[in-house]
Amino acid sequence: SQELEQSPQSLIVQEGKNLTINCTSSKTLYGLYWYKQKYGEGLIFLMMLQKGGEEKSHEKITAKLDEKKQQSSLHITASQPSHAGIYLCGADRYNNDMRFGAGTRLTVKP
Amino acid sequence: NAGVTQTPKFRVLKTGQSMTLLCAQDMNHEYMYWYRQDPGMGLRLIHYSVGEGTTAKGEVPDGYNVSRLKKQNFLLGLESAAPSQTSVYFCASSYRGRGTEAFFGQGTRLTVV
Repeated sequence: SQELEQSPQSLIVQEGKNLTINCTSSKTLYGLYWYKQKYGEGLIFLMMLQKGGEEKSHEKITAKLDEKKQQSSLHITASQPSHAGIYLCGADRYNNDMRFGAGTRLTVKP
Repeated sequence: NAGVTQTPKFRVLKTGQSMTLLCAQDMNHEYMYWYRQDPGMGLRLIHYSVGEGTTAKGEVPDGYNVSRLKKQNFLLGLESAAPSQTSVYFCASSYRGRGTEAFFGQGTRLTVV
């Protein structure tokens, strides 16, 4: 199993609906990152969370970090077709490398 | 601003052939990473470097070698390609590792036949 578990693996929502993607770490979190990947392209940085309880927003996307539970959630409000893609969470490890989850594939139906 | 540039973007290799993937960054970043992305597996770390002249193994290092002779370049080598190495390879760099965002290249799609 992977160090970072993302759920769900895929998600299909109607445009305008809210959605949440979760990321759970099996090891201590030193920093948690959210990236978005459009099909066939590189990763685009969304947000970085470092402290327990921290919450950040970028346009209609909000991410929270629960350090005690070693979890982060990504919430999209009023989804749009432009939100479609693969969302990946990444985490710093104690030895300075960075690991990623398997990703959540989001489809937004117009 | 070029950011992180990967060369080549596509490549087809025959089993047993060798090749080198080049990653170049122009942001003066200390840390550089090589990942592979396979369906359902997300990004898996192959090797990484915390500075010029250093390299370290990641999750899936077998069958790959790396070198960081210059700060701006990180090379990934396949000495004897195998079909299991068919994947999309991504390079990334970050200013100082932990606590700093990583910037990614556009990927190299490698097929080994």
